[in-house]
Amino acid sequence: DAGVIQSPRHEVTEMGQEVTLRCKPISGHDYLFWYRQTMMRGLELLIYFNNNVPIDDSGMPEDRFSAKMPNASFSTLKIQPSEPRDSAVYFCASSLEGYTFGSGTRLTVV
Amino acid sequence: SQQGEEDPQALSIQEGENATMNCSYKTSINNLQWYRQNSGRGLVHLILIRSNEREKHSGRLRVTLDTSKKSSSLLITASRAADTASYFCATDDNQGGKLIFGQGTELSVKP
Repeated sequence: DAGVIQSPRHEVTEMGQEVTLRCKPISGHDYLFWYRQTMMRGLELLIYFNNNVPIDDSGMPEDRFSAKMPNASFSTLKIQPSEPRDSAVYFCASSLEGYTFGSGTRLTVV
Repeated sequence: SQQGEEDPQALSIQEGENATMNCSYKTSINNLQWYRQNSGRGLVHLILIRSNEREKHSGRLRVTLDTSKKSSSLLITASRAADTASYFCATDDNQGGKLIFGQGTELSVKP
């Protein structure tokens, strides 16, 4: 099992550009989570899905953020337009019982 | 909002010593989990303790849970330099399976 796969590992983009982060969960896991980690705010839950259905998106900071899970093996987190304060490491995790995290995407918006 | 609060924020010890990290939380939980994060990497699940359990062991790790005090502790015995990492507690409040993480304890083990 390759674990939770995130891409890209690093993304540097200019303010105003659209950013799409991708996640492939572990096969068979029925929950998928998107977290954001910064020094100031720690780990924040943005949104999570159960069986591909969004359950709680109350952590999504603004309408500029959106997430989809079109099927059980793929999810995206999109930021449009991006701003410098969105710079963070974004983690995807999937779970059946315990969580498995991906390696994260380090996003820098300049 | 943060559910778990770790204490201390940073801990520096010598190799061979024991390291104890504490976590407090606010609401009722289904289980509490501890994770480890090496610098620049994702989080790795260490151990899960359910609300009806009081103590759990896994190798050099020992976790306790006191639901009356809403607190947990993680003990790493005979620490090694490779244990240097940040350690996070996270609580599952049984509201749909989501985990809420604390701010973490940064552990440094000096050889």
